[in-house]
Amino acid sequence: DAKTTQPNSMESNEEEPVHLPCNHSTISGTDYIHWYRQLPSQGPEYVIHGLTSNVNNRMASLAIAEDRKSSTLILHRATLRDAAVYYCILRDPPGTSYGKLTFGQGTILTVHP
Amino acid sequence: EAGVTQFPSHSVIEKGQTVTLRCDPISGHDNLYWYRRVMGKEIKFLLHFVKESKQDESGMPNNRFLAERTGGTYSTLKVQPAELEDSGVYFCASSPKNTEAFFGQGTRLTVV
Repeated sequence: DAKTTQPNSMESNEEEPVHLPCNHSTISGTDYIHWYRQLPSQGPEYVIHGLTSNVNNRMASLAIAEDRKSSTLILHRATLRDAAVYYCILRDPPGTSYGKLTFGQGTILTVHP
Repeated sequence: EAGVTQFPSHSVIEKGQTVTLRCDPISGHDNLYWYRRVMGKEIKFLLHFVKESKQDESGMPNNRFLAERTGGTYSTLKVQPAELEDSGVYFCASSPKNTEAFFGQGTRLTVV
């Protein structure tokens, strides 16, 4: 599995934007970039995914570099409920047989009131 | 719509005993995955079912672990006999077509 690199931790203030970076220099042409987060005492939760173009949904935005070797998860206005561990994961294309997620250490996001 | 449900939420057993964890995926999801996090380490993949068939069991640590998925619905993960190093949180996830995965709350297993 291609590897991703994320900072161990980041901090933000409530209602400010947060940019969570991820490096994936060995990404293959067919790997999708997925982001999950894990809130305290809960299972991981899907956030967003993309292939080449930037993506937006109700939770966040995903900005993907033109060479696809890095990406950034953007939380437009952090809330206290966004405090979690954020995981950047490369995954096989949808519909392929193998869909396991390979979790790294992730980034611990702390949001200050 | 009900999410992924795992039973029990917490289990404490003695070394050498048997424990069975259960996962009820979201209805209609053919793909079911088991993961676990042990002793503060990263979440690790265990295995993947497509309906009732094991698609990928490369993450199963040893033959003390047995996973089944009856009729392509719920799944069980049995640990027999349990060892101290099996302590951790076991997560189940399901997805319709290897797109976004929906995780359960996890089962915290403590082997003493």
